[in-house]
Amino acid sequence: GNSVTQMEGPVTLSEEAFLTINCTYTATGYPSLFWYVQYPGEGLQLLLKATKADDKGSNKGFEATYRKETTSFHLEKGSVQVSDSAVYFCALSDRGNQGGKLIFGQGTELSVKP
Amino acid sequence: DTAVSQTPKYLVTQMGNDKSIKCEQNLGHDTMYWYKQDSKKFLKIMFSYNNKELIINETVPNRFSPKSPDKAHLNLHINSLELGDSAVYFCASSQDHGGGTTQYFGPGTRLLVL
Repeated sequence: GNSVTQMEGPVTLSEEAFLTINCTYTATGYPSLFWYVQYPGEGLQLLLKATKADDKGSNKGFEATYRKETTSFHLEKGSVQVSDSAVYFCALSDRGNQGGKLIFGQGTELSVKP
Repeated sequence: DTAVSQTPKYLVTQMGNDKSIKCEQNLGHDTMYWYKQDSKKFLKIMFSYNNKELIINETVPNRFSPKSPDKAHLNLHINSLELGDSAVYFCASSQDHGGGTTQYFGPGTRLLVL
């Protein structure tokens, strides 16, 4: 079945450091890929997405490229801020008849120190 | 102007009780979902409805019964609550249930069963 694997957290960085959160997936079909972010005590917000191979999603300085050959969708940001502290979820949605459900990775907690 | 709202935000109850969580979206979306987030922050789909019709039931115990009176509302009723039901429950909605569609999440309902 379909699955998503993320790097384990927590990840602790200093402000202005470079961020990479690895995400790989297994899918029988041709999925769309997402990064969602959950700030403390809140629901999930879409950060970015990509719907086909080699697409790059970007938002708020974050980027991720859909790599079909390596089945990956790694999240990057060049310079993190304290306000980026949150839990980040990689997810996929199969284009087949899966009712639109999102399959999530286990989440990676990011803590950015001033 | 909350897009996806849930009530209550917090729910503390005793084992064996029956409780309901309500969800409303004002985005005009056709598809709504319930997800469960456990204590390790892992998120898993429970149900999906499209235009009031159930399209996903992800092997959830039949103590959980979703009800969609109209396409803007998806409520979750839980009978005979168990300790293991303690979690955060998120409602979400999307324009349709195609694979690349963005899901919009509510703020979550934190359920604690004592």
